[in-house]
Amino acid sequence: GQQLNQSPQSMFIQEGEDVSMNCTSSSIFNTWLWYKQDPGEGPVLLIALYKAGELTSNGRLTAQFGITRKDSFLNISASIPSDVGIYFCAALNYGGSQGNLIFGKGTKLSVKP
Amino acid sequence: NAGVTQTPKFQVLKTGQSMTLQCAQDMNHNSMYWYRQDPGMGLRLIYYSASEGTTDKGEVPNGYNVSRLNKREFSLRLESAAPSQTSVYFCASKRDSLYGYTFGSGTRLTVV
Repeated sequence: GQQLNQSPQSMFIQEGEDVSMNCTSSSIFNTWLWYKQDPGEGPVLLIALYKAGELTSNGRLTAQFGITRKDSFLNISASIPSDVGIYFCAALNYGGSQGNLIFGKGTKLSVKP
Repeated sequence: NAGVTQTPKFQVLKTGQSMTLQCAQDMNHNSMYWYRQDPGMGLRLIYYSASEGTTDKGEVPNGYNVSRLNKREFSLRLESAAPSQTSVYFCASKRDSLYGYTFGSGTRLTVV
C-alpha cells in the first residue's frame, strides 16, 4: 500500500536553530499536509499544499510540495520552546475511492532551552 | 465552536470488558474517521464514514465496530477489550474538499 517515509524520527535542537524535516513516498499525491501534535492533544493542521512546486509559509514555518509530487519538506526557522511536539506529514490522493489521508510516522521535536 | 469532541478523555478497562468511545462534530462535515496512535507507529486508520449511513474498514479494524449515528456523531465500540488495544484514539472529521482533517483531543485507553 501507499506509505510515507518521514525523517528524521526525532531531533534535539538548540533554541534559535532552524529545523528541517521531510516526507517521501514512492507514490504520487495531489495534496500534502503538515500537522503538529502538542503533548496530550490531537494533531492540528499547520500548512496545506495543493500544487506541485508550491512553497507556503505560516509564520516561522515554511513547507514545500515537491515538484515530483512524491515528497514534501517542512522548515521551522528560529525554533522556540513551544515548537516542541510531534510533526506529521500527511498526503491525499483524491483520485482514490475515498480520499483518505495517509500519515507519516512523525518527527518528534525537542528543544533545549 | 467546539470542533470535534471526544468522550471520555481517559479510560481504564479490564480485559474482556466492552466500551464505546463517543465522537461528535459541529462543523457539518460529511466524513468522519477513527484513528489509533501508538508510539513509533504514527496514526493508523481504524474505520471511517464518508457520509451518514456508510462505514468502511481502514487499516486496523479488527476488534472494533463503529456506528455513524447521524451526521454529527461517529462512535467506536470495543466489544471485548484486549491489552493490544491500549492506545490513544483520535476521532477526526473532514470537509468534502481539499482541506485536511480536524482532530479531537483524543481518548487515552488502557486495557489491563
